[in-house]
Amino acid sequence: GEDVEQSLFLSVREGDSSVINCTYTDSSSTYLYWYKQEPGAGLQLLTYIFSNMDMKQDQRLTVLLNKKDKHLSLRIADTQTGDSAIYFCAENPRGGNKLTFGTGTQLKVEL
Amino acid sequence: GAGVSQSPSNKVTEKGKDVELRCDPISGHTALYWYRQRLGQGLEFLIYFQGNSAPDKSGLPSDRFSAERTGESVSTLTIQRTQQEDSAVYLCASSQDRDGPQHFGDGTRLSIL
Repeated sequence: GEDVEQSLFLSVREGDSSVINCTYTDSSSTYLYWYKQEPGAGLQLLTYIFSNMDMKQDQRLTVLLNKKDKHLSLRIADTQTGDSAIYFCAENPRGGNKLTFGTGTQLKVEL
Repeated sequence: GAGVSQSPSNKVTEKGKDVELRCDPISGHTALYWYRQRLGQGLEFLIYFQGNSAPDKSGLPSDRFSAERTGESVSTLTIQRTQQEDSAVYLCASSQDRDGPQHFGDGTRLSIL
């Protein structure tokens, strides 16, 4: 497809793991990003992965990249209420400067 | 400051007026970007600056939109003769160089009455 695709909603219990999935469009993208947006705020860069990597781990965050399927995922371990936000994946098509974003996944963490 | 700063944080104006939105990037970042986020949607690219030049302005939706950057620092996005469909959050980002990750400001929420 031509759009970066993400599921719209995800609900998890506090303490569980969250997995947010993304299908991107351009196999020549050199970087894949995950951003977090809290209500009324801008985008906070969470993590990013270079396209020649399969996995990147940063504290509670694990990014997995499947280039063959153009699939990116973000796993949040031990999800907390403060993780409730909208999560956007983004790619840089043709290795360029402008980012193409998904429509975002709203993560709700329940007690 | 340590992050990307945008002003004003909120702007309400009447249809037909001109507006100017300001972005102060992270000090030393050579690349600067403007995006637009409509309610409930992802971000749309507007324009990219490298230094004071704009090699990619392909996302500007019409000739009512323009942007400039001076001193390889501050950028201004200007919207002339605003329309209701211009209502959105306008986000600015900067990166250390053309390949670096982009860091975003909190945006300007623009409402056209």
